[in-house]
Amino acid sequence: SQQGEEDPQALSIQEGENATMNCSYKTSINNLQWYRQNSGRGLVHLILIRSNEREKHSGRLRVTLDTSKKSSSLLITASRAADTASYFCATVGGYGNKLVFGAGTILRVKS
Amino acid sequence: DGGITQSPKYLFRKEGQNVTLSCEQNLNHDAMYWYRQDPGQGLRLIYYSQIVNDFQKGDIAEGYSVSREKKESFPLTVTSAQKNPTAFYLCASTPRGGSGLEQFFGPGTRLTVL
Repeated sequence: SQQGEEDPQALSIQEGENATMNCSYKTSINNLQWYRQNSGRGLVHLILIRSNEREKHSGRLRVTLDTSKKSSSLLITASRAADTASYFCATVGGYGNKLVFGAGTILRVKS
Repeated sequence: DGGITQSPKYLFRKEGQNVTLSCEQNLNHDAMYWYRQDPGQGLRLIYYSQIVNDFQKGDIAEGYSVSREKKESFPLTVTSAQKNPTAFYLCASTPRGGSGLEQFFGPGTRLTVL
């Protein structure tokens, strides 16, 4: 079963704008991860945030985690056409064995 | 170059045939995973292996089988018992099973049943 639910399902923005994607989950987690997938390709890990962290940055990426609301957000600042991809959140439970993925957000950045 | 390779990139199968998808990694990772992705959906776990000669069923194991005879290899067989096998299949690995660390993905195999 999929635990993460991304919102919105699809997002279209102009180059240079910021893109925000949200993820909600249902049970307690060990950590939450964000991945990117270009069309027809494998996934690429972007960032991992642990359950005791509230915010994390990596380059133009900013991830927040609110465990009380069971939600996370991914912000991509100053977006580029190359950011066009699907973005997935994935949660890791207490046992740490498996990632549980959401259905993803399709981001299109228009140049 | 370290990484995960999957072959073939595209695979066509007739109904009733078994097919085997290859997954090889040279990252010296202990744990390996197989996922299935359907259009517009996230990944669902088929099987995973935390160590050589051991593997566990994931959420959708019915109609699939795996083996883990070598650390670097984790082939997936899609059997004729899998009723709707057309999908994109992704293999992944992580340094240690149970660590909850990031997973490294291969490029995927797209399987189509004719």
